[in-house]
Amino acid sequence: GNSVTQMEGPVTLSEEAFLTINCTYTATGYPSLFWYVQYPGEGLQLLLKATKADDKGSNKGFEATYRKETTSFHLEKGSVQVSDSAVYFCALKVGSGGGADGLTFGKGTHLIIQP
Amino acid sequence: DAGVTQSPTHLIKTRGQHVTLRCSPISGHKSVSWYQQVLGQGPQFIFQYYEKEERGRGNFPDRFSARQFPNYSSELNVNALLLGDSALYLCASSLDGGNIQYFGAGTRLSVL
Repeated sequence: GNSVTQMEGPVTLSEEAFLTINCTYTATGYPSLFWYVQYPGEGLQLLLKATKADDKGSNKGFEATYRKETTSFHLEKGSVQVSDSAVYFCALKVGSGGGADGLTFGKGTHLIIQP
Repeated sequence: DAGVTQSPTHLIKTRGQHVTLRCSPISGHKSVSWYQQVLGQGPQFIFQYYEKEERGRGNFPDRFSARQFPNYSSELNVNALLLGDSALYLCASSLDGGNIQYFGAGTRLSVL
């Protein structure tokens, strides 16, 4: 089946530090990969995505590269801000356009940025 | 434009009761998916509907059911509630059930 493994949290960093949140996956087919962010009391927001190997998704200073050879999609940001504090979910989806499977999520990584 | 809207925002039920959760997708989106997010975990896929037909189902018991209406809104029904059904229920809409899904803020269900 499909599964996503991401690093356990909480991850606590100081403002302007470099961020890496690791994510690896297993999939029965060729997945698209996503990072979602969840702020307290809110639903999930799509942060970035990549649909094929070597694609780099980027948004708001965050980046992740689809690495098929290592089945990974690590999230990075060069300089984090207090406002980046949230829970980050790595996810995959196999198939598109009315495909039968929904998104498969990791357990989430709680990121805390201290001023 | 309005995003995905869910109602109610919070709900308290007792064991054995039935609950109905509602979702309105983004205008123009024809697919709705439902997810259950237990505290401290990632969301788990329950159902996907596209053009009023069930297109996918996750590993949930038959107590869970859903439907999609002609205006593409959707209901999630859960019968015979258990304490373990306490969770945040998220609805996501997409144009055609594809890769880009937009989530609502969720309905927090507490079963006592």
